[in-house]
Amino acid sequence: DGGITQSPKYLFRKEGQNVTLSCEQNLNHDAMYWYRQDPGQGLRLIYYSQIVNDFQKGDIAEGYSVSREKKESFPLTVTSAQKNPTAFYLCASSMQGNTEAFFGQGTRLTVV
Amino acid sequence: GESVGLHLPTLSVQEGDNSIINCAYSNSASDYFIWYKQESGKGPQFIIDIRSNMDKRQGQRVTVLLNKTVKHLSLQIAATQPGDSAVYFCAESPGNTGKLIFGQGTTLQVKP
Repeated sequence: DGGITQSPKYLFRKEGQNVTLSCEQNLNHDAMYWYRQDPGQGLRLIYYSQIVNDFQKGDIAEGYSVSREKKESFPLTVTSAQKNPTAFYLCASSMQGNTEAFFGQGTRLTVV
Repeated sequence: GESVGLHLPTLSVQEGDNSIINCAYSNSASDYFIWYKQESGKGPQFIIDIRSNMDKRQGQRVTVLLNKTVKHLSLQIAATQPGDSAVYFCAESPGNTGKLIFGQGTTLQVKP
């Protein structure tokens, strides 16, 4: 089945540790995105990539890093510099800009 | 700054009635608007989109209306069903990067 897969679904991290969230798509989409969602809030853009080996910061990139070495994969690293990392993280992909974006099922990260 | 907002945080309707969810946006340069449905603990699902050169678009049981004069977007759901209960987000995309700016969300509750 074609789709976008995020793993793991739940993740616990100790304060001060880096953690990497996985996002894989087999839709042959060029563009991929990472959003953060806090309780009762809309989604905010962390990073996005329109093509392999290129990515841009979104509105809340501080404390996060990404890579786009393959078209299918866009992992997000939450670093220890992120002051409030507990949130629901959503990855999305689209064929190009301003076309339908498909979302994964999300990763809920909790810092303990 | 850019923002997309929804008029009501919660909307409660009777099963079988029509639902109207409203959204105000602020960026006149946006040329692509989307409605998403998000069920608890899941990623957003695409419902319907509309481009700025249109003022109405219909899907299955859903209609999106765009009023660029007052920067207003609405989602109409006909014959609302219990399965329609979710949080609904409008989003706008300025430029052609595919980046989405989300509103806060409206929770739709369907009473049997």
